[in-house]
Amino acid sequence: KQEVTQIPAALSVPEGENLVLNCSFTDSAIYNLQWFRQDPGKGLTSLLLIQSSQREQTSGRLNASLDKSSGRSTLYIAASQPGDSATYLCAVGRYNNNDMRFGAGTRLTVKP
Amino acid sequence: GAVVSQHPSRVICKSGTSVKIECRSLDFQATTMFWYRQFPKKSLMLMATSNEGSKATYEQGVEKDKFLINHASLTLSTLTVTSAHPEDSSFYICSASRSGGLAGEETQYFGPGTRLLVL
Repeated sequence: KQEVTQIPAALSVPEGENLVLNCSFTDSAIYNLQWFRQDPGKGLTSLLLIQSSQREQTSGRLNASLDKSSGRSTLYIAASQPGDSATYLCAVGRYNNNDMRFGAGTRLTVKP
Repeated sequence: GAVVSQHPSRVICKSGTSVKIECRSLDFQATTMFWYRQFPKKSLMLMATSNEGSKATYEQGVEKDKFLINHASLTLSTLTVTSAHPEDSSFYICSASRSGGLAGEETQYFGPGTRLLVL
C-alpha cells in the first residue's frame, strides 16, 4: 500500500527566503507525482505534475524534482512571498491520474 | 477551462438528517468523478470513484449505505450523507476527470470543497 509522507508538517519563513518542501513515498512504482496548493477552506490547485520518466518540472518560482528510486520528491520555492502562504500537498499517482494517494501536506506561512 | 463547482460550500445540519452535496463539471464532460474527505491537518482520503451511469466504487472502510453517490450525468455527481452524525463533520472535496485523449492521461480537476458540520 502506497504511503505518502510530507515533512515538515508546518513551516514559517520570512519573505524572500528560498525553501524546500519534502515528500516521500513507499512504493517507487508510480505513474506520476503532483504538487498541489490548498488555501484555507478551499479546494486544490495543481502546481506541477512530474511523470515517472521525468526528473523535474519548473513553473515560475517553483521547481519540483522526483527521485523514484529513493521515493522522494521536493518542491523548491524561490524568493518566497506572503502570497505563497498555503498548504502544499503532494499526491502520487499509482496507475494513472485517476488513482492518487495524498500526503497530509505542509502548511507554509511566509511572513512579510 | 476545466472548472469544477460544488454546492453548497458550507452546510450545518442536525444529527440524523441527510445532506446532499453536488459536484458539477462546468465546461467539460467527466466520465469519472471522485469524492474525497479531508480531516483537519490530514491528507485527502479517497472515499469513492463514480462513473457516469454505473454504481460507485467505494474504498475500503467507507460505508456505501452511509455515503450514497449518484453520477447521473457526465457533468453531475452527488454525495448524500445519510443520517448524519457529528463524526461525519468534515471537508468533502470532489474532483472530475477529463481525458487527454490517451489512456492514462486523464487529469483530475478539483472542486472548492464543502464544509459539513453536523450538530
